[in-house]
Amino acid sequence: GAGVSQSPSNKVTEKGKDVELRCDPISGHTALYWYRQRLGQGLEFLIYFQGNSAPDKSGLPSDRFSAERTGESVSTLTIQRTQQEDSAVYLCASSRGALNTEAFFGQGTRLTVV
Amino acid sequence: SQQGEEDPQALSIQEGENATMNCSYKTSINNLQWYRQNSGRGLVHLILIRSNEREKHSGRLRVTLDTSKKSSSLLITASRAADTASYFCATDGGSWGKLQFGAGTQVVVTP
Repeated sequence: GAGVSQSPSNKVTEKGKDVELRCDPISGHTALYWYRQRLGQGLEFLIYFQGNSAPDKSGLPSDRFSAERTGESVSTLTIQRTQQEDSAVYLCASSRGALNTEAFFGQGTRLTVV
Repeated sequence: SQQGEEDPQALSIQEGENATMNCSYKTSINNLQWYRQNSGRGLVHLILIRSNEREKHSGRLRVTLDTSKKSSSLLITASRAADTASYFCATDGGSWGKLQFGAGTQVVVTP
C-alpha cells in the first residue's frame, strides 16, 4: 500500500477483554516496529520484526502482550486480559530494513480500556 | 528505558524565530534520526544523520551530531505556526533494528 495502515483507529474495550491490533506495512518493507505511547509521553519500544522473526521482544511489558507477523507483511499485536494501564496509542512503523533507513509510521490505534 | 532524551521538554516561540532542541543518547549509534508528531498520532521522518556525519541540512532544518558527547541538536530556522508539533530523536543504539525514541520536545509557534 501507499503507507502504513493500522486498524482499528480507535478501540474501546472493557477491562479483562482481549484485543487485537493490526498493522499493514508498506509493501516490500522487511522491518516492522510496534511502539506504545501514553498521553503526553514518548514512544515506548515494544517489539520489532525482521521478516517474520522478532529478534528483540524485550520491550513487551508483560506476558499479556504478544505479536506476530506473517508473510513478511501484516502484523498483529494482541493484548490479553486488558488493564486500564494498557490505555495508550499503539503505533506501528515499517522500514526497508537496511541500515540507515527511515521508518514510516501509521496513524496508530488509540486503545481505551474502561 | 529510553535511549534518547530531548531538551527542553517544551519550547514556545513566535513565528520567524529559530527553535533549537537537543538530544542526548547513551550508547554507540549507527545513525540518529529526528521525527515530528502532530496531534499525538503518526510520526513523520524529518532527517537522518549517520554516525560519521557532523552536520546535515534539509530545507529549514539543520541537524548536528557530536558522537564524542553523544548529543545532537535540531535547529528549525524562521519557524512557522505549522511547525507546532512534538519533535523526537531516535537512535538504533548500535543494534540495528531497535529504533528507540526519546520523550520529545513540544514546540509551540505562535503567530
